[in-house]
Amino acid sequence: GAVVSQHPSRVICKSGTSVKIECRSLDFQATTMFWYRQFPKQSLMLMATSNEGSKATYEQGVEKDKFLINHASLTLSTLTVTSAHPEDSSFYICSAGGGGVYEQYFGPGTRLTVT
Amino acid sequence: DAKTTQPPSMDCAEGRAANLPCNHSTISGNEYVYWYRQIHSQGPQYIIHGLKNNETNEMASLIITEDRKSSTLILPHATLRDTAVYYCIVGYGKLTFGQGTILTVHP
Repeated sequence: GAVVSQHPSRVICKSGTSVKIECRSLDFQATTMFWYRQFPKQSLMLMATSNEGSKATYEQGVEKDKFLINHASLTLSTLTVTSAHPEDSSFYICSAGGGGVYEQYFGPGTRLTVT
Repeated sequence: DAKTTQPPSMDCAEGRAANLPCNHSTISGNEYVYWYRQIHSQGPQYIIHGLKNNETNEMASLIITEDRKSSTLILPHATLRDTAVYYCIVGYGKLTFGQGTILTVHP
């Protein structure tokens, strides 16, 4: 299957600071990228869907001004958690796909800890 | 997206086939059935997907009933590395993850 990378794999930041997470599709052009969040012992929750060159579509309850998503190219999407707080500590996972019915390929995830 | 129902956990002996069921009685005509799995602290891994026909790839087989209200994922020869949470998802494009089935493969 396709390869998706995320950077960093783990980050610790102080409350009030911003953190940027990168998601790259290494061997295919991803029309659509998705961002998920997963709290301990819970399932993945979709945060937003982004199509290259257009604004992201956020799921209900996800603050678009707090979780900034940029999808400037077919191989790179970034998620910036602005003014992070301890409750934002979570496992953030991106996925990339060709859109529509096509399967999604997931990155390895980024563990964010806000102190 | 249609909702799915999966057993919370299953066990399987190494080398035997693992058959993971999924009910999706409210599936609509254009929705696909996707299977993913997640090993602890990793991103999910795509396994297989299908619309109405049975599908097979190098990882697994997907059997979809004729009325499309349920499906079964078959891992033909389970290994210890197949221990994971398996998610059955029904939809088109966007994936909504449920709680999945924790499959434990034991020696």
